[in-house]
Amino acid sequence: NAGVTQTPKFRVLKTGQSMTLLCAQDMNHEYMYWYRQDPGMGLRLIHYSVGEGTTAKGEVPDGYNVSRLKKQNFLLGLESAAPSQTSVYFCASSSGGDVQPQHFGDGTRLSIL
Amino acid sequence: GQNIDQPTEMTATEGAIVQINCTYQTSGFNGLFWYQQHAGEAPTFLSYNVLDGLEEKGRFSSFLSRSKGYSYLLLKELQMKDSASYLCAVRDSNYQLIWGAGTKLIIKP
Repeated sequence: NAGVTQTPKFRVLKTGQSMTLLCAQDMNHEYMYWYRQDPGMGLRLIHYSVGEGTTAKGEVPDGYNVSRLKKQNFLLGLESAAPSQTSVYFCASSSGGDVQPQHFGDGTRLSIL
Repeated sequence: GQNIDQPTEMTATEGAIVQINCTYQTSGFNGLFWYQQHAGEAPTFLSYNVLDGLEEKGRFSSFLSRSKGYSYLLLKELQMKDSASYLCAVRDSNYQLIWGAGTKLIIKP
């Protein structure tokens, strides 16, 4: 009963380092999303995907790249980490129907020093 | 611009009733969601409204008025485990979710 799994759960990076966050879902959902959550702000959409092989920019895409090579996986990359990218990152998936909610992973807490 | 407004924090007593309001201004409307998020955890889905009126799910109810750009989440018979943040999100004309900053609900014995 995994649902949406994010790895890693915690990470500390130095400015300029790169890393990839992995999201995997086992619900056969078409839609997948990457959000960041910062104190005092709502969840902000970074990138999303409406199906295998597709990606699109969200509200705050700068400094991030994504890939969806397999339907069940959605990767978020930081090429050159900056302190402003310190945040909690959530991955979500949905089947895309009108009433269908998004299901979230447990989040990745990322600190950039 | 698009905007979702919720109170930052509310306090209520165990066993009581609390209403959490959400007002929105978005480019289009394709439904409103309420999520619960315990500290350090993922948001979990509570309710969905797309038509005006009240949707009831056990101790939780959600109301929508599209003409007023307004929704509320009503929690009855409050329990300590209801201490959490409650997030309001509106799906806009592009079918993207616009999220409020959340309301932190503190339950006191």
